[in-house]
Amino acid sequence: DAKTTQPPSMDCAEGRAANLPCNHSTISGNEYVYWYRQIHSQGPQYIIHGLKNNETNEMASLIITEDRKSSTLILPHATLRDTAVYYCIVRVPYNQGGKLIFGQGTELSVKP
Amino acid sequence: GAVVSQHPSRVICKSGTSVKIECRSLDFQATTMFWYRQFPKQSLMLMATSNEGSKATYEQGVEKDKFLINHASLTLSTLTVTSAHPEDSSFYICSVTSSTDTQYFGPGTRLTVL
Repeated sequence: DAKTTQPPSMDCAEGRAANLPCNHSTISGNEYVYWYRQIHSQGPQYIIHGLKNNETNEMASLIITEDRKSSTLILPHATLRDTAVYYCIVRVPYNQGGKLIFGQGTELSVKP
Repeated sequence: GAVVSQHPSRVICKSGTSVKIECRSLDFQATTMFWYRQFPKQSLMLMATSNEGSKATYEQGVEKDKFLINHASLTLSTLTVTSAHPEDSSFYICSVTSSTDTQYFGPGTRLTVL
């Protein structure tokens, strides 16, 4: 599975949009981009995933560049409860041997 | 998404004893579950893939005789840490792969070995 690069930490003001970048320049054609977050001492929470099209759900939006070498997770109106470590992971489907391998992630601090 | 539970949420044991951690898929029949370990200030590390009705597949460097995995039903996988030592103290987390190929995680089990 391809590796990803994320900034180690970011700050965001409460109520503003949080834009979390992720580089995955070696991504292959059948690898999906997944985003999870982990609030302290809890299990990771699934946020969103995509292959090449932009995706949106009730939690966030995922913007994937046309060449698929990078993506951005957008939390449109960050709240204090969004403070967490955010992980960007690329993975082939499980039935093709894909495993969810976590990197170091981005520690997002949402400040009042 | 799939709902995953773990039991216990916290366990403290003496060095040399064995500890069993349960992972249940509450609303989905999971043929595959995954076990992760997380040390303080570090990321999650995949330990093994648990397959219903067959032997687990362990990641490189994970001792299969130390971490026994049993996946006897479509809703339950257990991880037993045998002869636990203080260095086994960690946060153990399981996950299941849903029908949409998305992995959902349990709340984790904090193991402290004295």
